[in-house]
Amino acid sequence: GENVEQHPSTLSVQEGDSAVIKCTYSDSASNYFPWYKQELGKGPQLIIDIRSNVGEKKDQRIAVTLNKTAKHFSLHITETQPEDSAVYFCAAETDYKLSFGAGTTVTVRA
Amino acid sequence: GAVVSQHPSRVICKSGTSVKIECRSLDFQATTMFWYRQFPKQSLMLMATSNEGSKATYEQGVEKDKFLINHASLTLSTLTVTSAHPEDSSFYICSAVKGAFDQPQHFGDGTRLSIL
Repeated sequence: GENVEQHPSTLSVQEGDSAVIKCTYSDSASNYFPWYKQELGKGPQLIIDIRSNVGEKKDQRIAVTLNKTAKHFSLHITETQPEDSAVYFCAAETDYKLSFGAGTTVTVRA
Repeated sequence: GAVVSQHPSRVICKSGTSVKIECRSLDFQATTMFWYRQFPKQSLMLMATSNEGSKATYEQGVEKDKFLINHASLTLSTLTVTSAHPEDSSFYICSAVKGAFDQPQHFGDGTRLSIL
């Protein structure tokens, strides 16, 4: 099955700085890669996704890059704000199912 | 758009009780719904895939007689934890997807189940 590895497990950044989270996956058949933000006691919220036919996608302060050859993808958050503090999960889809990374706890220091 | 409602948000009950959790897609018809389990400070683990009108597909190691899933309509799936025990205590989360593959899963806000 699909194996998704995510790094780092924790990330502390100063407000206004950038945050980068990296993921690798094992199944070359995966073609869809969403990122989720989960706040305490809540369900995951989709923040951005990318399909294998593109290498980069951007939505305001959030961007995702995908390298299918190397089987890795990354989330970039620029100009971080305190409300960006949460746990972020990457995922890869195979056979309609999502396999999640272990998560990254992001703390934005004011 | 793409709102998924999960109910109840929290359940506390005695060992041996059966608990039903509902998952509804409020503004779209979900071809598929998924049930996940999440332990504290851990990732989401897929338990089962639910399609309307057909039997759920369970992941390896998930007891289908323990976790009963019913997907009666395109907007409602239910998970029943039968004869729950303390080890079943966890955060259960559903998601719903519209359409086929490569479509985003939209998650409910989860149900915190505590078995005493």
